[in-house]
Amino acid sequence: GAVVSQHPSWVICKSGTSVKIECRSLDFQATTMFWYRQFPKQSLMLMATSNEGSKATYEQGVEKDKFLINHASLTLSTLTVTSAHPEDSSFYICSATAGLYNSPLHFGNGTRLTVT
Amino acid sequence: SQKIEQNSEALNIQEGKTATLTCNYTNYSPAYLQWYRQDPGRGPVFLLLIRENEKEKRKERLKVTFDTTLKQSLFHITASQPADSATYLCALDPSGAGSYQLTFGKGTKLSVIP
Repeated sequence: GAVVSQHPSWVICKSGTSVKIECRSLDFQATTMFWYRQFPKQSLMLMATSNEGSKATYEQGVEKDKFLINHASLTLSTLTVTSAHPEDSSFYICSATAGLYNSPLHFGNGTRLTVT
Repeated sequence: SQKIEQNSEALNIQEGKTATLTCNYTNYSPAYLQWYRQDPGRGPVFLLLIRENEKEKRKERLKVTFDTTLKQSLFHITASQPADSATYLCALDPSGAGSYQLTFGKGTKLSVIP
């Protein structure tokens, strides 16, 4: 089946630093990748939609200058949390699709970010 | 306003029984609805997709129904096992156009007691 690899699985950083999270589709070409954030006992909240070779589309309320998304190839998207603050601590999950109509999303295993 | 509600935050069930989880939505007209399983500290895993013109879908011990009149989907696990313990998420396409930009419910945490 389709595999999406997300790295790192967890990271602890100091306030003010930047953190990069990678999302790779291992056995298919992902025309579109999505980035979600999930707080404890809450649903996945879509942050942005990323299409290969174009700028990401951010959901309302998500700061594009703080959450930089790059989708440079059909198998790799990165999310960089810039100038991280403790309130950015969360579980970040990427997903990918090959773009087929009604196809399910394939998720990475998430990255637990803790900002101290 | 648009809402997806999974009626129970948590559901405990005895092993061997059938677990039934509910997903209700308001002010959406989705082309399809999907169910995912999420284990602690992991990303969701796709289970089943049911389209608006389908009433029922099955996969092994799983069954999903979709009632667009009631705006409700039911997710059943028959002969439940402790290994089925997880959080189950429903998700739909808010655009109604069959896109893969999904909106998720908060999930129901299922615990199957041996």
